[in-house]
Amino acid sequence: NAGVTQTPKFRVLKTGQSMTLLCAQDMNHEYMYWYRQDPGMGLRLIHYSVGEGTTAKGEVPDGYNVSRLKKQNFLLGLESAAPSQTSVYFCASSPGTNTGELFFGEGSRLTVL
Amino acid sequence: KQEVTQIPAALSVPEGENLVLNCSFTDSAIYNLQWFRQDPGKGLTSLLLIQSSQREQTSGRLNASLDKSSGRSTLYIAASQPGDSATYLCAVKNTDKLIFGTGTRLQVFP
Repeated sequence: NAGVTQTPKFRVLKTGQSMTLLCAQDMNHEYMYWYRQDPGMGLRLIHYSVGEGTTAKGEVPDGYNVSRLKKQNFLLGLESAAPSQTSVYFCASSPGTNTGELFFGEGSRLTVL
Repeated sequence: KQEVTQIPAALSVPEGENLVLNCSFTDSAIYNLQWFRQDPGKGLTSLLLIQSSQREQTSGRLNASLDKSSGRSTLYIAASQPGDSATYLCAVKNTDKLIFGTGTRLQVFP
């Protein structure tokens, strides 16, 4: 009963390096989301997807790219990491309805030096 | 633009007290409102989901109400326990997105 799984859980990068966070869900959900959580700022939406092959920008999309090539996976990429991207990243998914409940992964802690 | 506010930001109470956590939102055109719990260093766990057509939802010692017209929701925790200590977040769904409040950090001491 995996639900939403994020990998890796921890990562340290140097400024300018690139990396990809993987989110996988096994609930056949249509919608998937990437959030970042910072002290005092709550959760902010980076990008989201309403179905396979679709992506859309959230509140804070700059510096990130996403892809949803398969329905069960949603990838978040950082092409050139900056210290301002040090954060905890959460992936979430929900059924393909406007009334669906949101399910979260355990989070990925990223530090950019 | 939807804005979600939670008051108070932090709360410390003795065990056994009944609590009310508040959530307000600026745009009443929502599909639903969800309350979450987050333990330190962990992800978010869904507690209650209230659809826009509903007034309240209950689960055990938790009761959440929704007044869409006034842009408010409350989470009522009955007979609080130390294990209830966590951060509680509310989130509202507009269109495709879920917008979060900044949370209420609750500490229940024995």
